[in-house]
Amino acid sequence: DVKVTQSSRYLVKRTGEKVFLECVQDMDHENMFWYRQDPGLGLRLIYFSYDVKMKEKGDIPEGYSVSREKKERFSLILESASTNQTSMYLCASTSLASGSSGAKNIQYFGAGTRLSVL
Amino acid sequence: GEDVEQSLFLSVREGDSSVINCTYTDSSSTYLYWYKQEPGAGLQLLTYIFSNMDMKQDQRLTVLLNKKDKHLSLRIADTQTGDSAIYFCAEVNNNAGNMLTFGGGTRLMVKP
Repeated sequence: DVKVTQSSRYLVKRTGEKVFLECVQDMDHENMFWYRQDPGLGLRLIYFSYDVKMKEKGDIPEGYSVSREKKERFSLILESASTNQTSMYLCASTSLASGSSGAKNIQYFGAGTRLSVL
Repeated sequence: GEDVEQSLFLSVREGDSSVINCTYTDSSSTYLYWYKQEPGAGLQLLTYIFSNMDMKQDQRLTVLLNKKDKHLSLRIADTQTGDSAIYFCAEVNNNAGNMLTFGGGTRLMVKP
């Protein structure tokens, strides 16, 4: 089974702190994603990475950066946390190849990190 | 741009059927997906349908695809309290490197 692990389930930080959210996947997937999930807004893509050291902006990259130094690990960084970044953050990964079911693009999600910025 | 829309909320009684609807915009999507998110958890793939299919059945789940109207639905037969969750539909965005575009999610509440 694919496993996507996010390092923290809950985080509480103060405004202005630098925050690191870590995500690790164990299936050698090429692509990894960071989303935030807010009530009524669904999932919004922050950044994604399609290879080591490669990153692309998603729909809402402002206030965030990412790091992918190793294939299995994708980090989301809040350089200076603000209260409007209080949210649920979800990491996902996917392979370029078809899965065993034949379907492509299936994204596997971590359990999420609920971040509160006070 | 690409847009996937779902109603926000659905409430049913235990044992009834639930139908969750979704409309999408990318007619070239090859796959469409349904994900389930239980409280406090991440998203889990529930089922998917290939675009050349009209229907897919998997135990209590039936997915119907109307390509002409760009309408996707998920029917859950004999809905149980354990089915209470948020359900997201997603399409492959072929204009953005095969990224997934998610709907806003439908919260299904099952009353005993």
